[in-house]
Amino acid sequence: DGGITQSPKYLFRKEGQNVTLSCEQNLNHDAMYWYRQDPGQGLRLIYYSQIVNDFQKGDIAEGYSVSREKKESFPLTVTSAQKNPTAFYLCASSIDSGNYEQYFGPGTRLTVT
Amino acid sequence: ILNVEQSPQSLHVQEGDSTNFTCSFPSSNFYALHWYRWETAKSPEALFVMTLNGDEKKKGRISATLNTKEGYSYLYIKGSQPEDSATYLCAFMNTGGFKTIFGAGTRLFVKA
Repeated sequence: DGGITQSPKYLFRKEGQNVTLSCEQNLNHDAMYWYRQDPGQGLRLIYYSQIVNDFQKGDIAEGYSVSREKKESFPLTVTSAQKNPTAFYLCASSIDSGNYEQYFGPGTRLTVT
Repeated sequence: ILNVEQSPQSLHVQEGDSTNFTCSFPSSNFYALHWYRWETAKSPEALFVMTLNGDEKKKGRISATLNTKEGYSYLYIKGSQPEDSATYLCAFMNTGGFKTIFGAGTRLFVKA
């Protein structure tokens, strides 16, 4: 089955700890994205990657970091510098960064206390 | 700052009702408009990718129109069914880059 997976589904961390969210796709897509969803708001772009070894900041990149060492993988690290890390995080991919629909993973709900 | 607005925020209809909701986006530098359906406990799934002014797309009982000059798109659902209950997201892409700006969504509840 082709698809995009995120793990874990729920994640709990103490304030001050860095945490890495996993995102893997086997769709052979070049572009990958990380979004954050907060109640009452649209999905907001954190980082995106158009191709392996390349990534750009989205609208709310502060306090986050990413890597794209492999085409299939685009992990997101939520650092202790992120002021409000508790949120629902969605990863997506598309054929490339042009006008193609995005395929989404199931999401990770991160709670930081 | 690019702003994409969807209305209404939520909508309650009876089974069999037809309904529609709106996505408003900047009318300049338009590149594409996407519609997604996001059911509870599932991932968002693409419904339509729209690029041309006047575009009309249809998938079963769901259709969408696009007006790029005035910056809006309508999504229509004919004869709503309980399985149509979901959040409908629109997403705007402009020619200035490849970022996608999402609206907050319209949450549709269809009562049997």
